[in-house]
Amino acid sequence: DTAVSQTPKYLVTQMGNDKSIKCEQNLGHDTMYWYKQDSKKFLKIMFSYNNKELIINETVPNRFSPKSPDKAHLNLHINSLELGDSAVYFCASSQKRTVGYYGYTFGSGTRLTVV
Amino acid sequence: LAKTTQPISMDSYEGQEVNITCSHNNIATNDYITWYQQFPSQGPRFIIQGYKTKVTNEVASLFIPADRKSSTLSLPRVSLSDTAVYYCLVGGNTGGFKTIFGAGTRLFVKA
Repeated sequence: DTAVSQTPKYLVTQMGNDKSIKCEQNLGHDTMYWYKQDSKKFLKIMFSYNNKELIINETVPNRFSPKSPDKAHLNLHINSLELGDSAVYFCASSQKRTVGYYGYTFGSGTRLTVV
Repeated sequence: LAKTTQPISMDSYEGQEVNITCSHNNIATNDYITWYQQFPSQGPRFIIQGYKTKVTNEVASLFIPADRKSSTLSLPRVSLSDTAVYYCLVGGNTGGFKTIFGAGTRLFVKA
């Protein structure tokens, strides 16, 4: 069983379109995240959800909207796609410890290409 | 947020021990240190996490000095399949573990 699964793996779309990426984790973790990895391979956090509540939103354009129907799912919807949105998007989850959090478990990524 | 500094790249040979050091001078009291490994076209994979002194698991060891301003990931007897990018992260107990990934260290293992 895949711990953190995201779909689709590849997504090619035209500028201006709206698209969604889905993520599910079966680890029972408290918190889920979306990260963006650009062409220079830097990983930047976009969103974090803890028990369905948004707790981080790192200066991401409001064209990006996370949706969490329950704590096992965190989907990413993107409106009016732009060329600069092309990147690999990773979903991740983690579990709170007494102090801090245990490490992340990442999905395999969704490579988004906007043409 | 604690910023981390790692070497950009390292080369090694199969069977050698590899040590990758990460500097995190402004680490906070509640921050843990976590290392990840990333292969091309895959998500980062958790390797090891520690708070102080030494932590060892089946994959690696993590050495953290008393001042916690740096840490060293030790990979024993590397193989070709250990060629990857290694990230050092420092983060604490804020909700969602607000973490910044640095550029990582690209390790290349040669035969």
